[in-house]
Amino acid sequence: GAGVSQSPRYKVAKRGQDVALRCDPISGHVSLFWYQQALGQGPEFLTYFQNEAQLDKSGLPSDRFFAERPEGSVSTLKIQRTQQEDSAVYLCASSLEFTPANEKLFFGSGTQLSVL
Amino acid sequence: ILNVEQSPQSLHVQEGDSTNFTCSFPSSNFYALHWYRWETAKSPEALFVMTLNGDEKKKGRISATLNTKEGYSYLYIKGSQPEDSATYLCAFADNYGQNFVFGPGTRLSVLP
Repeated sequence: GAGVSQSPRYKVAKRGQDVALRCDPISGHVSLFWYQQALGQGPEFLTYFQNEAQLDKSGLPSDRFFAERPEGSVSTLKIQRTQQEDSAVYLCASSLEFTPANEKLFFGSGTQLSVL
Repeated sequence: ILNVEQSPQSLHVQEGDSTNFTCSFPSSNFYALHWYRWETAKSPEALFVMTLNGDEKKKGRISATLNTKEGYSYLYIKGSQPEDSATYLCAFADNYGQNFVFGPGTRLSVLP
């Protein structure tokens, strides 16, 4: 597609419910990132994929968070047993190269998750 | 944990004013510095990626400078317009890109 696509745009979940957030990166982009942005803060790193390989998951806040990119394109971020502190905007970004830090990231519009 | 700071946290300027804000980062093992603009209800959009000390980049009325030795970058907006209202994020990478961290952002409001 023309840009990074994320769905759903908004998600309201009851505490304890499982949610799945989808990211469609730009076709051909090797690197894919997930970020969590809480109100009033900058995006915080969650996890990073190079093609289908999850190279860094050090930012995932707990074992309730799980991400996958099985075919090296679409990625899903799953949150199990959601808690109120999981409420945030979840951003996905992709870049063309293997070393994304020296080239710009392309972001999706984010999924705003509200846990009640 | 890398500490990337941005100041001010927010500011309000009048249309036509010029403004600038700062991104501060560790001065060792520098690899790259990014600037992004994030308008409400839109995706963050890359403005600049800077890799060399002394780099100056320009895009229309927006420009940025980089000082890797002292660990800061300035973003300048000349003649601010209401459409410049957004959160401006910087992101710092060190150690050959192994670590890549965003700052908290500066929220700019340009009043007509």
